[in-house]
Amino acid sequence: DVKVTQSSRYLVKRTGEKVFLECVQDMDHENMFWYRQDPGLGLRLIYFSYDVKMKEKGDIPEGYSVSREKKERFSLILESASTNQTSMYLCASQFRGNQPQHFGDGTRLSIL
Amino acid sequence: DQQVKQNSPSLSVQEGRISILNCDYTNSMFDYFLWYKKYPAEGPTFLISISSIKDKNEDGRFTVFLNKSAKHLSLHIVPSQPGDSAVYFCAASDQAGTALIFGKGTTLSVSS
Repeated sequence: DVKVTQSSRYLVKRTGEKVFLECVQDMDHENMFWYRQDPGLGLRLIYFSYDVKMKEKGDIPEGYSVSREKKERFSLILESASTNQTSMYLCASQFRGNQPQHFGDGTRLSIL
Repeated sequence: DQQVKQNSPSLSVQEGRISILNCDYTNSMFDYFLWYKKYPAEGPTFLISISSIKDKNEDGRFTVFLNKSAKHLSLHIVPSQPGDSAVYFCAASDQAGTALIFGKGTTLSVSS
């Protein structure tokens, strides 16, 4: 079974802080993704990566950056957290294109 | 503009009956479609997928139907069980098969 592990289930931070969300997958998947899920809006893609050190913007990249230094790890960075970034953040990995994405359990992030 | 639409926010079904969840899409370039199930406080779990070269795919109690001319897909669950109660997301991707566009979800409630 694919295992996608997100470092924290719940996180509380203050506005203006730099926030790191970590994600690790154990299946040597090529592609990794960060989404946020908000009530009534479904899942929206923030960034994805198809290889080490490669990244592509998704639908809502503003206020976020990412890092993929190793194949198994994909980090989401909130450069200066704001209250409108309070959300559920979901990481996913994918073996290659046209295959299912596998999700972690999510990080519930609150920005106060 | 929403490219993937799930027009029913909720659906209630009795145990043993059929559940039919619907999804419409607008982008004719979409080539690969998936359904995910999500319980509260967990990440989405992949259920079933279908590529545009098929019109039906079955996996146990779950069947997905694709009508390309109508840009419509549906998920049938037969028979429905109380454990099927969850939020169901429809998702689609283009030929590259990487980034997914999600619908906003339908909450299914199966009563015993």
